[in-house]
Amino acid sequence: QKEVEQNSGPLSVPEGAIASLNCTYSDRGSQSFFWYRQYSGKSPELIMFIYSNGDKEDGRFTAQLNKASQYVSLLIRDSQPSDSATYLCAVSNQGGKLIFGQGTELSVKP
Amino acid sequence: GAVVSQHPSRVICKSGTSVKIECRSLDFQATTMFWYRQFPKQSLMLMATSNEGSKATYEQGVEKDKFLINHASLTLSTLTVTSAHPEDSSFYICSARWDRVKWGNTEAFFGQGTRLTVV
Repeated sequence: QKEVEQNSGPLSVPEGAIASLNCTYSDRGSQSFFWYRQYSGKSPELIMFIYSNGDKEDGRFTAQLNKASQYVSLLIRDSQPSDSATYLCAVSNQGGKLIFGQGTELSVKP
Repeated sequence: GAVVSQHPSRVICKSGTSVKIECRSLDFQATTMFWYRQFPKQSLMLMATSNEGSKATYEQGVEKDKFLINHASLTLSTLTVTSAHPEDSSFYICSARWDRVKWGNTEAFFGQGTRLTVV
């Protein structure tokens, strides 16, 4: 079992729709959870981080964490073509390592 | 957010030579630095974790004698790919984090990445 798992996609949504990205992790001791966006050939950039169970909203983005289910998600409201990228879920374990999922490719169609 | 500068952004080298990649934290003290490798269409794979002043901890399957990591100061870590071969061609990315115990929890800040091509 991979430490952090995501659907690789591609996930295609129309412009203006809600994009839902999901991630599960195996280490129950994980403490911090991150969503990064990566454009082709570029380094990842941080979108959201969440440490506590529940929802965290920032503009069009909402991160949801459920530690009991070992599940974290990212919702993107009013998706724009510029949101088209690969979204990486990352989990920080107790040792402080940041482990990435394989990424979900999102395509927002105009 | 904090700034991490990685250099060079692109490098082409001949097979058998060594290449050094630098990662600098410009406006904070990076007690921990991570080195990742990313092959096309794949995710970031953690290669090693280094803490300032101590030896790097390598992930399983990563050759420590081939990928030399030095974290001699709180603002600089280097990755040297020794005796590079074409299969080492990849996108190498560093990330840096400050002292979580002292300054609180935080994400790691990423450098711009280095595209290494070995010919």
